[in-house]
Amino acid sequence: NAGVTQTPKFRILKIGQSMTLQCTQDMNHNYMYWYRQDPGMGLKLIYYSVGAGITDKGEVPNGYNVSRSTTEDFPLRLELAAPSQTSVYFCASSDQGRGNTEAFFGQGTRLTVV
Amino acid sequence: ELKVEQNPLFLSMQEGKNYTIYCNYSTTSDRLYWYRQDPGKSLESLFVLLSNGAVKQEGRLMASLDTKARLSTLHITAAVHDLSATYFCAADNNNDMRFGAGTRLTVKP
Repeated sequence: NAGVTQTPKFRILKIGQSMTLQCTQDMNHNYMYWYRQDPGMGLKLIYYSVGAGITDKGEVPNGYNVSRSTTEDFPLRLELAAPSQTSVYFCASSDQGRGNTEAFFGQGTRLTVV
Repeated sequence: ELKVEQNPLFLSMQEGKNYTIYCNYSTTSDRLYWYRQDPGKSLESLFVLLSNGAVKQEGRLMASLDTKARLSTLHITAAVHDLSATYFCAADNNNDMRFGAGTRLTVKP
């Protein structure tokens, strides 16, 4: 079972560059999330999606964009990368509305902006 | 806006001792979750609590939920070194899921 797969695992960006963090899940979950985790801190919600074609902002959406064209994929786009975006990014998915609704997390993408 | 607070943020325990981690949330929440994270790793789901009075147990960990007090607890019984990790609670409301800052637990021999 692949679960939630994130790519890349590590990336170094220069200030002002852009990139897309990929996230795909094979569990047919309707809900997907992007979080960032700064060193020694909790997770902050960036964006989430309750289904294909629907996205909403979380706590810290500035500097990011998302799309959800399919149930499986939920890419996160960084435009004009800044040092403040150095963090570990986690994608997660869950099957909300069907009882036990724990979220499953990917392995994370460690991003450094220099 | 939903806010989730955990305490303590750091906890150092001796093996064999009991302790409780507390999680408060600010507004009505549909569900309460507990996750574990080992250093440099992703998050692993421990418990999902769906209703007032819910109690779930797995090994030395027991989680409970009091929706009236907006409080969940994670109780550790007879701690062992393998429980050393960071524990997060999370609550959701209006479809998004918000996390507490985490409790970094260290169990010492």
